[in-house]
Amino acid sequence: GPKVLQIPSHQIIDMGQMVTLNCDPVSNHLYFYWYKQILGQQMEFLVNFYNGKVMEKSKLFKDQFSVERPDGSYFTLKIQPTALEDSAVYFCASSLTGPNERLFFGHGTKLSVL
Amino acid sequence: GEQVEQRPPHLSVREGDSAVITCTYTDPNSYYFFWYKQEPGASLQLLMKVFSSTEINEGQGFTVLLNKKDKRLSLNLTAAHPGDSAAYFCAVGTEGADRLTFGKGTQLIIQP
Repeated sequence: GPKVLQIPSHQIIDMGQMVTLNCDPVSNHLYFYWYKQILGQQMEFLVNFYNGKVMEKSKLFKDQFSVERPDGSYFTLKIQPTALEDSAVYFCASSLTGPNERLFFGHGTKLSVL
Repeated sequence: GEQVEQRPPHLSVREGDSAVITCTYTDPNSYYFFWYKQEPGASLQLLMKVFSSTEINEGQGFTVLLNKKDKRLSLNLTAAHPGDSAAYFCAVGTEGADRLTFGKGTQLIIQP
């Protein structure tokens, strides 16, 4: 079935560095999402992206966070600078017509900020 | 905003027994609901999508019940087998919002 690919699967960086998490969504999908999951806790919404714009973002989507999807390339989440509390698994998801449709999730990128 | 509480956080049942996971939500405008299954090291896989118009939803080996009056969504696994061992997450969508609110998840273990 359709797959969302996330690269890398694990990223270790020092606090204060920049990190970019990459997501290759399902090819014909139009809506893209990032969710954050701290170990043992729930999946929390970060941001929803459609037609080149952020549609909605949560309070977890700090000023240090940004998302983009240049034409034909990855949907990316950039954190600059990183903080210790950014350590988590970040899940990318995509859907065809919006959040009321099925979301297809990637396997997640585990980010460890030291 | 929407708040979703999922219980229990951990559940262990014997193979062949049933297992019930429940989510309660707060926003009366919630109208679409999902159950996702996540096996270790894997991505979330959709089990079932439920709209608020349908109270009983049958899947393969499970049933999803929606009680709109009590704002409660439950996943009932019948005759659990080892392949059901995974984390299960409910997710709730509200009309007019561009996000889903997830429950904290239930780690289900099926004992032989």
